[in-house]
Amino acid sequence: GNSVTQMEGPVTLSEEAFLTINCTYTATGYPSLFWYVQYPGEGLQLLLKATKADDKGSNKGFEATYRKETTSFHLEKGSVQVSDSAVYFCALATSGTYKYIFGTGTRLKVLA
Amino acid sequence: DTAVSQTPKYLVTQMGNDKSIKCEQNLGHDTMYWYKQDSKKFLKIMFSYNNKELIINETVPNRFSPKSPDKAHLNLHINSLELGDSAVYFCASSSGSNPNEQFFGPGTRLTVL
Repeated sequence: GNSVTQMEGPVTLSEEAFLTINCTYTATGYPSLFWYVQYPGEGLQLLLKATKADDKGSNKGFEATYRKETTSFHLEKGSVQVSDSAVYFCALATSGTYKYIFGTGTRLKVLA
Repeated sequence: DTAVSQTPKYLVTQMGNDKSIKCEQNLGHDTMYWYKQDSKKFLKIMFSYNNKELIINETVPNRFSPKSPDKAHLNLHINSLELGDSAVYFCASSSGSNPNEQFFGPGTRLTVL
């Protein structure tokens, strides 16, 4: 079945450090891939997405590239801020379905 | 204006009680969802309705019953609450033209004592 695997957290970084959160997936067909962010006490917000191989999603300085050959969608940011502290979820959805499969989430803590 | 709203935001209740959580979206979407997020932040879909019809029903105890009075609302009723039902419940919605992009509500934190 379809699944999403994220790196275990928490990830603790100093401000301005480089961020990578790994995400790999298993899916039949050609899924769309997403990163969602959940700030403390809030709901999930779509951060970025990619719908086909080699697409790069980007938003707020975050980027992720859909790599079909490695079935990965790693999230990166060149310089994190304290305000980026949140839980990040990788997710996939296969075409024609209405169901997201989420990873387990990775908590990021950025220290000033 | 809030796109997807849920009420209440917090719900504390005793075991055995029956409670409801309400969800409304003003995005004009025709598909709505309920997700459960456990204490370890793991998110799992429970139900989905498209145009008021149930299209996803994961392995959820039948104490949980979703109700969709119209396309803009999807309520979740839970009977005979158990300790294990304590979680954050998220409502979401998406449009038929782009079902893979979902918009989430702020969540309802349910605590069963």
